[in-house]
Amino acid sequence: DIQMTQSPSSLSASIGDRVTITCRASQSISTYLNWYQQRPGKAPKLLIYAASSLESGVPSRFSGSGSGTDFTLTISSLLPEDFATYYCQQTSSTWTFGQGTRVEIK
Amino acid sequence: QVQLQESGPGLVKPSETLSLTCTVSGGSISSYYWSWIRQPAGKGLEWLGHIDVSGSNMYNPSLRSRVTMSIDTSKKQISLRLRSVTAADTAVYYCARDKYLCGGCHNWFDSWGQGTQVIVSS
Repeated sequence: DIQMTQSPSSLSASIGDRVTITCRASQSISTYLNWYQQRPGKAPKLLIYAASSLESGVPSRFSGSGSGTDFTLTISSLLPEDFATYYCQQTSSTWTFGQGTRVEIK
Repeated sequence: QVQLQESGPGLVKPSETLSLTCTVSGGSISSYYWSWIRQPAGKGLEWLGHIDVSGSNMYNPSLRSRVTMSIDTSKKQISLRLRSVTAADTAVYYCARDKYLCGGCHNWFDSWGQGTQVIVSS
């Protein structure tokens, strides 16, 4: 199985901050990498697919980059509704998720 | 706007079979895979597997011996069966539309159901 490791596991940030979350794959996955946002009690929501493509309707403050084993999700300027848990997912081989990164209010 | 709705028993006894159904409305069931994902309370997401209308499927290797998925195109329903459950199978179970784009064959989950809680307990 391909293991996905996110860092940090949690972070505290303020409204307006730039936030970067990292996801590392245990082997190369090209750009088979997606990012999801999950608010408490809700289903996950797709943000980014194929490493850097923004899902329709997702604000442009979200962006993704990377290929191979190292990927990042960036939120350019945090809004109150962005406080949530973020998951990366690889779809190179039997899909697996990272453990999640919780973004909390500082 | 496609909508997905999971349904099934909220309580299953240990060693029995968990059976859930995902009903799709507002969109086609063809041209997509359909995935099941679960999430134990306070924990992360685990992909269980996916299936398409041709019956082509892929299962999580860690669950392959216990999982079966099926699809009923006339009812636009995707079913999950998980055999020999234990307390470790207690989780919220989600179905999701597994969209793919070939020329690379990327997959992603672009629509999700609201999830259904399943508790394994005697």
